[in-house]
Amino acid sequence: DGGITQSPKYLFRKEGQNVTLSCEQNLNHDAMYWYRQDPGQGLRLIYYSQIVNDFQKGDIAEGYSVSREKKESFPLTVTSAQKNPTAFYLCASSATPQGDTEAFFGQGTRLTVV
Amino acid sequence: AQSVTQPDIHITVSEGASLELRCNYSYGATPYLFWYVQSPGQGLQLLLKYFSGDTLVQGIKGFEAEFKRSQSSFNLRKPSVHWSDAAEYFCAVGATGGGADGLTFGKGTHLIIQP
Repeated sequence: DGGITQSPKYLFRKEGQNVTLSCEQNLNHDAMYWYRQDPGQGLRLIYYSQIVNDFQKGDIAEGYSVSREKKESFPLTVTSAQKNPTAFYLCASSATPQGDTEAFFGQGTRLTVV
Repeated sequence: AQSVTQPDIHITVSEGASLELRCNYSYGATPYLFWYVQSPGQGLQLLLKYFSGDTLVQGIKGFEAEFKRSQSSFNLRKPSVHWSDAAEYFCAVGATGGGADGLTFGKGTHLIIQP
């Protein structure tokens, strides 16, 4: 079945550590996105990628980094510079980077700082 | 840039009653419009979308939405809700004139179903 797989589902991070969230899609989509979700704040765009080897900052990119070395994969690293990383992270993809096609979402990763 | 407003943070509806969730968008041209649903701890699932044509669109799970250009609205409706409809609902808009950062989402409406 085609879809987006995020792993792990739950992740715990000690303060000062970097952690990487995985996102893989087999939909052959060009565009991929990372969103952060906090209660009452909806979805906020962290980074997006229109095509392999290209990515752009979203609204809240500080303290995060990404790579897009393969079309199928768009991992997100939460660095120690992110002061409040506890949140639910959602990865999405769409056939085109413009807003003219629906986005497909993974099941999310809940990151908790301990 | 486009924006989306969902005026209701929480809505409580009795099981079997009708439902309407409000969504207003801001965009200069005719946008692409979407409604998504999210169960707790899960990703978002597409309920329905509007691109053009008939302004009343049907979606999955018995939902429908109506695009009203004059009111810049895209409200979601269901004639009779079930307890399983309790979830978070997000309206989203996509720009037709370009841009490459995908969809813009509202902050969501939390639907509570009373027995």
